[in-house]
Amino acid sequence: LAKTTQPISMDSYEGQEVNITCSHNNIATNDYITWYQQFPSQGPRFIIQGYKTKVTNEVASLFIPADRKSSTLSLPRVSLSDTAVYYCLVGGYSSASKIIFGSGTRLSIRP
Amino acid sequence: NAGVTQTPKFQVLKTGQSMTLQCAQDMNHEYMSWYRQDPGMGLRLIHYSVGAGITDQGEVPNGYNVSRSTTEDFPLRLLSAAPSQTSVYFCASTPRSAYNEQFFGPGTRLTVL
Repeated sequence: LAKTTQPISMDSYEGQEVNITCSHNNIATNDYITWYQQFPSQGPRFIIQGYKTKVTNEVASLFIPADRKSSTLSLPRVSLSDTAVYYCLVGGYSSASKIIFGSGTRLSIRP
Repeated sequence: NAGVTQTPKFQVLKTGQSMTLQCAQDMNHEYMSWYRQDPGMGLRLIHYSVGAGITDQGEVPNGYNVSRSTTEDFPLRLLSAAPSQTSVYFCASTPRSAYNEQFFGPGTRLTVL
């Protein structure tokens, strides 16, 4: 399984764009990159998934460079409610292997 | 759909007691998993199952047993509770076709005295 590395914590302010980068140097050819969000006392929630280039949905954008050794989750115009822990995972799309979470990035948004 | 449900929400055990945490999903997902989350930490995989009758160990399986007799249910059994098992336990499910998109239950907060 490809190991991921993320910053432990980040701070930002309301209305700013926040970019969280994840390193996954050993990503395999069939691995997808998935991001989850977790609020206190809740289970993680799927945010976005991608394989290469850029993916955008109503919540976030995911940028993946050509070598796929890293990815960046972009949250546009954050609000206080975006304060959460964000996890980056890599794994096969239809694999039967383990889905492992890392330590995540604790994002704090200030007024 | 109710999604992923877990019972109980809270539980206090004494050291040495056994109990079963229940997890059920009504989305016909093949893949189910159990995680534990200690305060301020990330999630650690305990056991997972890729389908009825098939289970496998995760990162921290010691002290826990699982079974998967049906697609819907994936109970987690604590054999002899220890204070080190005090944690929040999350169950998750995902369809095999998109196995990274997990749906999580609300969690069970377990305290072992």
